[in-house]
Amino acid sequence: DARVTQTPRHKVTEMGQEVTMRCQPILGHNTVFWYRQTMMQGLELLAYFRNRAPLDDSGMPKDRFSAEMPDATLATLKIQPSEPRDSAVYFCASGLGTGGLTDTQYFGPGTRLTVL
Amino acid sequence: AQSVTQLDSHVSVSEGTPVLLRCNYSSSYSPSLFWYVQHPNKGLQLLLKYTSAATLVKGINGFEAEFKKSETSFHLTKPSAHMSDAAEYFCVVSGRNQGGKLIFGQGTELSVKP
Repeated sequence: DARVTQTPRHKVTEMGQEVTMRCQPILGHNTVFWYRQTMMQGLELLAYFRNRAPLDDSGMPKDRFSAEMPDATLATLKIQPSEPRDSAVYFCASGLGTGGLTDTQYFGPGTRLTVL
Repeated sequence: AQSVTQLDSHVSVSEGTPVLLRCNYSSSYSPSLFWYVQHPNKGLQLLLKYTSAATLVKGINGFEAEFKKSETSFHLTKPSAHMSDAAEYFCVVSGRNQGGKLIFGQGTELSVKP
């Protein structure tokens, strides 16, 4: 049963610390998305990759957030320095995409981040 | 630009009664529409999707949704609610020509009373 995995599941850190979240997409999927979920904003797209290349990161605060795909089996989302307003659940999703479309996106269980 | 509006933030039904979760969409193109469900402290699971084939879409766990272009609606229904259906439900539109990024509604919390 193929699924997206995310680590860590929970992270508590202090303001100013670096946070790295990891995602392993479903094998064979070429598109990876990062979403953030908060009570106030709901679910919002931060960034996504196609064939490991960033296609859109307009939803991401550029000064402190960075997203990469070192290889096809790993996507990372890094926050440096972290701030309390970054507290949220971060979801990774993967799917098969061509051109302007992506087929069904499969979501990981999320990383719940708390910044004190 | 695409958007979705979920008309109810919270719906409460009794077990065994029908479920109706309402969603209206806005899209310049023929949209791809989805319903996802999120159980407490869990990730999102796809219930069903519409991609311009049959307008009545059947999903998992007895859910279905009907695409009505004239009403720009994609309401989710289930004939008989089960306690395990209690969760948050998201109506979602896929951004055409935007790599397929998903645009989420604000969610509808479904409560099921015994």
